[in-house]
Amino acid sequence: EVQLQQSGPEVGRPGSSVKISCKASGYTFTDYVMNWVKQSPGQGLEWIGWIDPEYGSTDYAEKFKKKATLTADTSSNTAYIQLSSLTSEDTATYFCARMLGAVMDAWGQGASVTVSS
Amino acid sequence: DIQMTQSPASLSASLGETVSIECLASEGISNDLAWYQQKSGKSPQLLIYAASRLQDGVPSRFSGSGSGTRYSLKISGMQPEDEADYFCQQSYKYPLTFGSGTKLEIK
Repeated sequence: EVQLQQSGPEVGRPGSSVKISCKASGYTFTDYVMNWVKQSPGQGLEWIGWIDPEYGSTDYAEKFKKKATLTADTSSNTAYIQLSSLTSEDTATYFCARMLGAVMDAWGQGASVTVSS
Repeated sequence: DIQMTQSPASLSASLGETVSIECLASEGISNDLAWYQQKSGKSPQLLIYAASRLQDGVPSRFSGSGSGTRYSLKISGMQPEDEADYFCQQSYKYPLTFGSGTKLEIK
């Protein structure tokens, strides 16, 4: 069974950074691109970007190029997203999602980030 | 970026009723359209891909159709477990973009 297990809720001060993890199991980690998606409270879904764990290549939505950094550790089958220079606009739930073709066929449970002083 | 305009924003349906949700793309997306269901407090789940292909394990009362810029999701016979938010997503061009969502409730 494909599973994506994300880390727990994070609280960050304005201007700081947070890092969320997404541990994959049930499939070969390097065979699939991993996406990250943002969902602000009560809002819709925004695509942040993807990482190819095999090569470390990435692509980001323009809006997130200076906000998010995607990495992956193939030794632990874990993908990461780091969010920097936090503002209230970053308060949201962040999902990792495996890409099959160009759709997301498996999702993590989500990790909430709250920016608060 | 391709804009996805989803309608309606919300609707309520009686059990057994057939409901439809629509997505209009700002340009042709060549059937590169997926639908996701998100239940309260949960992560989205893939229902339909390539506009009309049912993901494994998804009940057959869900169906997708459309072409060009217009796509729709139909639920034939509303069930209690179908109460959720639904989102469309285009994968024709990067950045991937989603519709704003439809909240479906039981009447």
